[in-house]
Amino acid sequence: GENVEQHPSTLSVQEGDSAVIKCTYSDSASNYFPWYKQELGKRPQLIIDIRSNVGEKKDQRIAVTLNKTAKHFSLHITETQPEDSAVYFCAASRNSGYSTLTFGKGTMLLVSP
Amino acid sequence: SQTIHQWPATLVQPVGSPLSLECTVEGTSNPNLYWYRQAAGRGLQLLFYSVGIGQISSEVPQNLSASRPQDRQFILSSKKLLLSDSGFYLCAWSLAGTANTEAFFGQGTRLTVV
Repeated sequence: GENVEQHPSTLSVQEGDSAVIKCTYSDSASNYFPWYKQELGKRPQLIIDIRSNVGEKKDQRIAVTLNKTAKHFSLHITETQPEDSAVYFCAASRNSGYSTLTFGKGTMLLVSP
Repeated sequence: SQTIHQWPATLVQPVGSPLSLECTVEGTSNPNLYWYRQAAGRGLQLLFYSVGIGQISSEVPQNLSASRPQDRQFILSSKKLLLSDSGFYLCAWSLAGTANTEAFFGQGTRLTVV
């Protein structure tokens, strides 16, 4: 089955800096890669996703890049703000009738004012 | 709009006691339904998924079971809880018949087995 590795497990940055979280996956058939943000005690919520037919996607301060050959994808947050502090999860799934997402272990991002 | 309800929000149960967590979805038909568990400091582990009434697939062998008695109802159960069952349980749904779409999560149930 799919295996998703996520690094780093914790990331501390100063407000205004950029943050990068990296994930690798094992199943070459995976072609959907969402990123979820989970604030303390709350449910995970989708912040951005990318499909295998594109290499990069951007939404304001958030961007995701995908390298299918190397089987890795990354989340980039620019101009970080304290409200970006949360746990971020990457995930991967195959193209099938249901999205059984395989998640990474998460990255706790701490943005200091 | 679609909503997902999960209860209870918190639960403290003794070892060996039974468990029943319920999840319902509103505003959509025939959703794909999922149960995930999040242990402290770890990622989200898929426990069960269902593509229709009575259709349950298990990802991880354990002392938990799931049932889908109605189209938009998903129940997670155990006959006898273990200490290792403690964690944050999340129900989720996604659109049926479409590949690779967003999973929407419920608020979660924090289970502590004592």
